[in-house]
Amino acid sequence: SAVISQKPSRDICQRGTSLTIQCQVDSQVTMMFWYRQQPGQSLTLIATANQGSEATYESGFVIDKFPISRPNLTFSTLTVSNMSPEDSSIYLCSVAGTPNYGYTFGSGTRLTVV
Amino acid sequence: AQTVTQSQPEMSVQEAETVTLSCTYDTSENNYYLFWYKQPPSRQMILVIRQEAYKQQNATENRFSVNFQKAAKSFSLKISDSQLGDTAMYFCAFMKSLNQGAQKLVFGQGTRLTINP
Repeated sequence: SAVISQKPSRDICQRGTSLTIQCQVDSQVTMMFWYRQQPGQSLTLIATANQGSEATYESGFVIDKFPISRPNLTFSTLTVSNMSPEDSSIYLCSVAGTPNYGYTFGSGTRLTVV
Repeated sequence: AQTVTQSQPEMSVQEAETVTLSCTYDTSENNYYLFWYKQPPSRQMILVIRQEAYKQQNATENRFSVNFQKAAKSFSLKISDSQLGDTAMYFCAFMKSLNQGAQKLVFGQGTRLTINP
């Protein structure tokens, strides 16, 4: 299965600023997924990122707040813009594996907004 | 839309005991995949076991096994001979068939499992 390097692993940010999270995959993948996990909660999909096209956002998430880049088949970034304390969460990227391996996740970015 | 429900927010058992985590789901799909993921305090999501809906045989991975009841839309995880390292959040997840391209995972709310020494 693919190996994902996600960074930063954690950050503490001031409200009103932006943070860009990076995910690097060790193999080419068609789709990458970005999830948010609020404290003590489950994972919620933010958007699906295809290479060469705009990301597809889930209900409740908008591009202006969570812009995503996907410049090639091994890399993607998620930016959390104009942050507020409500954005404090763990953000995870994921890539689709074969059904036999399920999906692989990055190690997550723990974001705290103060 | 698919939904996944885990009705046990927390569970606690003694080391070496057997524990079963419940999961139910709702879908109109006939072909799909089900997964159990483990998330220890390190927050890394680790795939525990997966089940293809078209397979009648329940999946098994060492101490982990599932009871898949397709008609009842139930997918429980049994952990045998539980170990301290099994302490984690466990998430049940649903995915539509890959015949329609890579699909997102839909997660349940999670069950916090604690194994006590």
